[in-house]
Amino acid sequence: DGGITQSPKYLFRKEGQNVTLSCEQNLNHDAMYWYRQDPGQGLRLIYYSQIVNDFQKGDIAEGYSVSREKKESFPLTVTSAQKNPTAFYLCASSIVSRDYEQYFGPGTRLTVT
Amino acid sequence: DQQVKQNSPSLSVQEGRISILNCDYTNSMFDYFLWYKKYPAEGPTFLISISSIKDKNEDGRFTVFLNKSAKHLSLHIVPSQPGDSAVYFCAASVGTYKYIFGTGTRLKVLA
Repeated sequence: DGGITQSPKYLFRKEGQNVTLSCEQNLNHDAMYWYRQDPGQGLRLIYYSQIVNDFQKGDIAEGYSVSREKKESFPLTVTSAQKNPTAFYLCASSIVSRDYEQYFGPGTRLTVT
Repeated sequence: DQQVKQNSPSLSVQEGRISILNCDYTNSMFDYFLWYKKYPAEGPTFLISISSIKDKNEDGRFTVFLNKSAKHLSLHIVPSQPGDSAVYFCAASVGTYKYIFGTGTRLKVLA
């Protein structure tokens, strides 16, 4: 049963702490993505990766970091430098040649107080 | 500055009738357009796409229309079914991998 898993569903952190959001896929997709969704706004691209050990900044990469050491995994770290980290985070993956057809995980809601 | 806008946050339609969801964009360089559907507590799922060289693409009950001169995209669902009740996002691409999403329209199909 292929898909994308994100854990945990809800995450709470204190301000000033780094936090890492997990994203795993077993769809054998080369491309993976991280998006952020805020109330009243569309999904905004944070980072994307086309292949293992390579990733590119999206539109709002400041305050975030990623790694892509394995094809299946694309963890996102929200650092203390991110000014407004409270948001809903979505991870996705796709076949490289069909990047428009992205498969999304259920998301992680991060609350930083 | 929202380059992709969905001006209707919600829409209610009777079962069996047509649902029309609209999307406007500002960047004439967009070359690919998508619609995604999202149910509560799930991630968005891809629905249908259209290239900027076409003006219509059909897939079963779903048809996407592109009017480049008006910079307008629409999704028609005929006939609408209760299971179509979800949030619909349009998105546009300026290049590979980078898509700009609208804010979504919540569709409610009334039985």
